[in-house]
Amino acid sequence: AQTVTQSQPEMSVQEAETVTLSCTYDTSENNYYLFWYKQPPSRQMILVIRQEAYKQQNATENRFSVNFQKAAKSFSLKISDSQLGDTAMYFCAFMKPGAGSYQLTFGKGTKLSVIP
Amino acid sequence: GAVVSQHPSRVICKSGTSVKIECRSLDFQATTMFWYRQFPKKSLMLMATSNEGSKATYEQGVEKDKFLINHASLTLSTLTVTSAHPEDSSFYICSARPGTTYEQYFGPGTRLTVT
Repeated sequence: AQTVTQSQPEMSVQEAETVTLSCTYDTSENNYYLFWYKQPPSRQMILVIRQEAYKQQNATENRFSVNFQKAAKSFSLKISDSQLGDTAMYFCAFMKPGAGSYQLTFGKGTKLSVIP
Repeated sequence: GAVVSQHPSRVICKSGTSVKIECRSLDFQATTMFWYRQFPKKSLMLMATSNEGSKATYEQGVEKDKFLINHASLTLSTLTVTSAHPEDSSFYICSARPGTTYEQYFGPGTRLTVT
């Protein structure tokens, strides 16, 4: 079974600064997908960024980028120019495609607070 | 973009009664729908996976007779909590996956309170 570990229960960052959230995972699979989801106080899950394991290039989405280290099974999220609206829970997630399910395995989450 | 709705957003019911939560994919056909439960300040716990027209597959430890899941169409799945008790109070989230992609799209969640 796959496991996802987020070792930082809470983090804070000053507005406009950069913060990195860590995530490691354990799998014996070679083909898989990794995601970062944001859950603001409204509790709506929002996809922040995705990475296909077969792609060596790190994914980026505007102020959000990842550092994907496949050999180390590490998938960290960097948020640049932090904004107050980035305050939320952030969940790292793993998906093994196929097998009829495409289930997501979530980490325990990191609560990020952006300080004005 | 892909939109998933849930109804109701909040529900309060008395202990011993049943409550139904609907999950709808509004602008796509969902081959697979997922039901999660989330306790306060905790992560999402997968309860079950359902494919249209098939019986749901429940995760270990989830009582299938208590949490009835029906995926009768490609745009609707329902979760019925039968004989609800206070310990069933939680935040329930559904997600839906179109057949053409691996991504899941999440509903806004339903807060269930059993008194």
